[in-house]
Amino acid sequence: DADVTQTPRNRITKTGKRIMLECSQTKGHDRMYWYRQDPGLGLQLIYYSFDVKDINKGEISDGYSVSRQAQAKFSLSLESAIPNQTALYFCATSDPQDGYTFGSGTRLTVV
Amino acid sequence: KQEVTQIPAALSVPEGENLVLNCSFTDSAIYNLQWFRQDPGKGLTSLLLIQSSQREQTSGRLNASLDKSSGRSTLYIAASQPGDSATYLCAVSSGGSYIPTFGRGTSLIVHP
Repeated sequence: DADVTQTPRNRITKTGKRIMLECSQTKGHDRMYWYRQDPGLGLQLIYYSFDVKDINKGEISDGYSVSRQAQAKFSLSLESAIPNQTALYFCATSDPQDGYTFGSGTRLTVV
Repeated sequence: KQEVTQIPAALSVPEGENLVLNCSFTDSAIYNLQWFRQDPGKGLTSLLLIQSSQREQTSGRLNASLDKSSGRSTLYIAASQPGDSATYLCAVSSGGSYIPTFGRGTSLIVHP
């Protein structure tokens, strides 16, 4: 199994729908992150969590929410999806010795 | 605020060449620097992690160096192969939160 698993891998949803992207990890890292990647814009940080009780907004948190259900699980929700949220979404974990480990990504299309 | 720049943005070379990709950063008070590879539409794969106390790391044909005083890191790829074609990103962790700042990447094409 992958160290960082994201589900689903691909999702097409309609404008206004609520959608949840899930992430689980087996690295045992306390820190988890959600990033968005758009062509030509690089990686943008949406939310990050340093432990189960610590959740912080990143650069582009508007329109998104997160839940840290356990050390190993960190989910991202779009409460009411809009077309400009179409992007590739990545979950990542980190610790100072291992650096960052990324999941394979979720390709989200909002129509 | 940390700023990370990668030069060149794109590179196309024939197979077999030795390559140098550059990453520069503005704040030298870093914790670590990590190089990643990303294939189109795929996730980021970690290549090398250099802690602030280290000068270089090596893995196979890859060697990454770190010079904090000049705010630079280089990724050296020896004897490039078509399978090395990908985007290479560097990420610099600094500041109190350890959140990394990513460069925009260098898009590499190695043609046979």
